[in-house]
Amino acid sequence: AVQLVESGGGLVQPKESLKISCAASGFTFSNAAMYWVRQAPGKGLEWVARIRTKPNNYATYYADSVKGRFTISRDDSKSMVYLQMDNLKTEDTAMYYCTSNWAYWGQGVMVTVSS
Amino acid sequence: DVVLTQTPPTLSATIGQSVSISCRSSQSLLHSNGNTYLNWLLQRPGQPPQLLIYLVSRLESGVPNRFSGSGSGTDFTLKISGVEAEDLGVYYCVQSTHAPWTFGGGTKLELK
Repeated sequence: AVQLVESGGGLVQPKESLKISCAASGFTFSNAAMYWVRQAPGKGLEWVARIRTKPNNYATYYADSVKGRFTISRDDSKSMVYLQMDNLKTEDTAMYYCTSNWAYWGQGVMVTVSS
Repeated sequence: DVVLTQTPPTLSATIGQSVSISCRSSQSLLHSNGNTYLNWLLQRPGQPPQLLIYLVSRLESGVPNRFSGSGSGTDFTLKISGVEAEDLGVYYCVQSTHAPWTFGGGTKLELK
């Protein structure tokens, strides 16, 4: 069965950094574009970042709200995707989901940015 | 950026009732490759989103056929033919034709 499992969330202070991870299994990870999507408490869904596959040079894309602060990466040998989040702001507080082409979703990991 | 406007924001239904949700885009979602990348998701309370419909009208594997999608260009509709209790939650349309990928604001389906 397909599984996506996020980890690494927690409470951090503004301007600090955090790296969250997503472990994939049950599908050919190296062939799949991967996304991070977030949801602030009580709010809707917001796309954050996308990374394509090796044949597409691992091209990355970011929402304007995180560009220059967040970095998405992947390790196909480990079936992992990561989101490095630097200079965090209180408005980055959200549940972060990884997803493969909207079809498979993890349970999410909570990131809280607060002083 | 593409803006997706969902209506209504809240929908009250009885079990067995048929309902429709509209998703209107600020620009055409027809890709140059001929596909229209408009999907529908359902997020049940406390759960991650679940894909229901992709490419406007294609039913995701395992999704009941009481769900159907239609539309083209800028106007899209999700229909539920006979609401069941397990259908309650928030429905989102999402487009991946134009970067950045964007979601509609959501439609909450409640029991009347």
